[in-house]
Amino acid sequence: GAGVSQTPSNKVTEKGKYVELRCDPISGHTALYWYRQSLGQGPEFLIYFQGTGAADDSGLPNDRFFAVRPEGSVSTLKIQRTERGDSAVYLCASSPNPVTGELFFGEGSRLTVL
Amino acid sequence: QKEVEQNSGPLSVPEGAIASLNCTYSDRVSQSFFWYRQYSGKSPELIMSIYSNGDKEDGRFTAQLNKASQYVSLLIRDSQPSDSATYLCAVGGNNQGGKLIFGQGTELSVKP
Repeated sequence: GAGVSQTPSNKVTEKGKYVELRCDPISGHTALYWYRQSLGQGPEFLIYFQGTGAADDSGLPNDRFFAVRPEGSVSTLKIQRTERGDSAVYLCASSPNPVTGELFFGEGSRLTVL
Repeated sequence: QKEVEQNSGPLSVPEGAIASLNCTYSDRVSQSFFWYRQYSGKSPELIMSIYSNGDKEDGRFTAQLNKASQYVSLLIRDSQPSDSATYLCAVGGNNQGGKLIFGQGTELSVKP
């Protein structure tokens, strides 16, 4: 596709459940990022992949959060034992050149934990 | 102290006026600076990047960087109602691999 694709666009789950969010980056972009955005706030960095490996996961809030990118393209963000505080829009971005820091964002996955 | 700070606004300007958006950052080794625009309910989109001190102009937009003062700004000339959005300042460090730290955003409203 032409842009970064994220699925699902909306996810409602119950506290304690497991959730997976998927990101398909722009073709050819080697760098992939996950951010989280709460209402009225700027995006908060979670993790950055260069190829298949996580180059920087310093933003993951705790060990309930995990992300993979097994073939260097599609990435999945996994959240275990969800909590109400995990409710946010999860944004994925990709970049053709990570050195420049110019990111292209998807439309996000809105997660609501009841 | 937040790493990247912006006035949350809202900033309201009349159509045709100049809108001035400001941002300060705390990490002196920051090397790359960006302005993203985010319409309500949409994802951020890059509108300006700047890497060295001074001004950079692109159409109606001018980004200004002063590393000594750790300050970056965005000017929008001839503001249009379609410019109404939240403007996010983002800062990248040296060798951060594209990891950007965002401010909380400034909401701009351009009144016809």
